[in-house]
Amino acid sequence: EAGVAQSPRYKIIEKRQSVAFWCNPISGHATLYWYQQILGQGPKLLIQFQNNGVVDDSQLPKDRFSAERLKGVDSTLKIQPAKLEDSAVYLCASSSRQGVEKEAFFGQGTRLTVV
Amino acid sequence: GQSLEQPSEVTAVEGAIVQINCTYQTSGFYGLSWYQQHDGGAPTFLSYNALDGLEETGRFSSFLSRSDSYGYLLLQELQMKDSASYFCAVRDRRGKLIFGQGTELSVKP
Repeated sequence: EAGVAQSPRYKIIEKRQSVAFWCNPISGHATLYWYQQILGQGPKLLIQFQNNGVVDDSQLPKDRFSAERLKGVDSTLKIQPAKLEDSAVYLCASSSRQGVEKEAFFGQGTRLTVV
Repeated sequence: GQSLEQPSEVTAVEGAIVQINCTYQTSGFYGLSWYQQHDGGAPTFLSYNALDGLEETGRFSSFLSRSDSYGYLLLQELQMKDSASYFCAVRDRRGKLIFGQGTELSVKP
């Protein structure tokens, strides 16, 4: 079975620019997560979707970050405008059933550098 | 909210046994997971405990005590390839998955 796909793998932008990341979860997985991982730290949950609905976005900086999951499959995460402190790896993960599936599967991530 | 504590780094030698502890504070606790992440790689699932006790998967075992809000990951017969970061993560009933800051394991020859 194909894994979680993310693109792009790397992105360099200037501060105040906009950027978008794309994630295609494993087929049939209802739950999708976006995490931000700063170097040397653990993944920080930004948003969790169940199908196309938001379960949790309490840690998402909504003044600059937005995410959507149209049709409950692919998802995009956008940052507008970017700040230097947004430099991190953005990880997408999926799991099959909310609160039941014990394993989340991660994509390779998008490494964002804001200069 | 949720918080997890684990040691920042651990060093051990090949063939040894190492234990990585994790304490947590959370509401709506459902289970404790462990993930491994090599430099530049994606986190990969290792083990999961929803009930008290020990779960064994090959060289890796994980333990949970819900009453103590405590768990650990036990790695036996350490190999050089086990050098990586290890994260504990709590899961709630809605599937929310919150990670600790990670423990960097260095395995020496």
